[in-house]
Order: sequence, then C-alpha cells, then structure tokens
Amino acid sequence: ETGVTQTPRHLVMGMTNKKSLKCEQHLGHNAMYWYKQSAKKPLELMFVYSLEERVENNSVPSRFSPECPNSSHLFLHLHTLQPEDSALYLCASSPRGRRETQYFGPGTRLLVL
Amino acid sequence: AQKVTQAQTEISVVEKEDVTLDCVYETRDTTYYLFWYKQPPSGELVFLIRRNSFDEQNEISGRYSWNFQKSTSSFNFTITASQVVDSAVYFCALSEASDDYKLSFGAGTTVTVRA
Repeated sequence: ETGVTQTPRHLVMGMTNKKSLKCEQHLGHNAMYWYKQSAKKPLELMFVYSLEERVENNSVPSRFSPECPNSSHLFLHLHTLQPEDSALYLCASSPRGRRETQYFGPGTRLLVL
Repeated sequence: AQKVTQAQTEISVVEKEDVTLDCVYETRDTTYYLFWYKQPPSGELVFLIRRNSFDEQNEISGRYSWNFQKSTSSFNFTITASQVVDSAVYFCALSEASDDYKLSFGAGTTVTVRA
C-alpha cells in the first residue's frame, strides 16, 4: 500500500448506529487530518493531529470522535449521526504539519439515513 | 470571510482547448503558501503544486502552468491542450503563517472536457 488509504470507501448507516472510519498513511508523516466535504460547500477541516496529539478541533459536534493511536493511523468514530452529516470524509497527512503539503486519501462517502 | 475565491463554478471546453482557472486569495500574512489540488470523480484530492509567497516565478509542468501575481492576489492555473482526463474539480487553497495547520480551500471549479 502506498500513500494514504481510507476504509471503508462507502458507508451507509442509520442515525442510531455506531461506526468508525479508518485512515492509514504510508508516507512516514507526523501530522494527520480529517476533512468533511459536503455538496456545494468548501472543504471543512475537522481535526488535526500532530505526533498523535490533537492540535486543532474546529467546533465539531461531539457525535464525531477522533482517535490517533500512532502517527500512521487515524480513526473517526461516529455515533448518533444526523442526515446532514452525509458527506465525503477525507483524511490527509503531511510531514510535520505546519504549512506543508497535505496528501489526501480517496475518502469515505457516508450516507446517514 | 472567504479567504480563497474561485469565481468560476463550472467550465466546459472541447478537447485541445486551453482552460484557465482563476484563484483570488486574501491574507494579511507576508508568509503564506498557495496550493492547487485536483479532485477527479473518484474523490481523492491530488496535489498539483505548492508555491510560497516569496516565489513569484511562474511555473510550468507539462500541460499545466501557474501564474502567481501578488499585486492582484491571484494564483491562476492554466491547462493547455485539455484532455478528457482533465475533467475534475480543481481546488485552490491557502495556508497562512498565522495558522499552522489550516488549509483554506476555495469552493472549487468543475472542469468538463468534451471529446
């Protein structure tokens, strides 16, 4: 595997379900990011981790819970989501974080029913 | 306020035509970085270029070229002799020295290249 991978690629869940999105980077980077991309809206930065420490949390509802067990893996735990949370969730990584190029995964397309 | 403006929502061209995508940014920082990404229908954002605020040289990479003009706060992107595979959404983004981790993205321009 190379670059940034994300699983699953597609996910359909009910509002009462609990699911997790997984991101793995094979680039030796130290910073990882979660973005949300909704239709007709610019990409929204959700969370940033640098060396496994959360450094940014952009007023994201608590029904989204990130986890970064090591610098190669990033999870986004989902529970009691709303239909408006349906979107493409993109993971990215960068070497150290500060103002560097971010490399993106293919995304998880989430549909909340 | 929107920091990156991509005024063109959609552009449709016939193969082999040139297409220029506009990007206008807004920042008070003297040190900043500008990026272009391509998002094909598969969804992944593909990095195209990163330019720092102190380097105003234009850049060419194959059929792609970028025109950075600080005087007008613009970082425009041109695809020469477009091909069907260039069909995608293109995003311009800004990273400022005052916000270490954040990339501010424009709304994107959808380019459709017809055969």
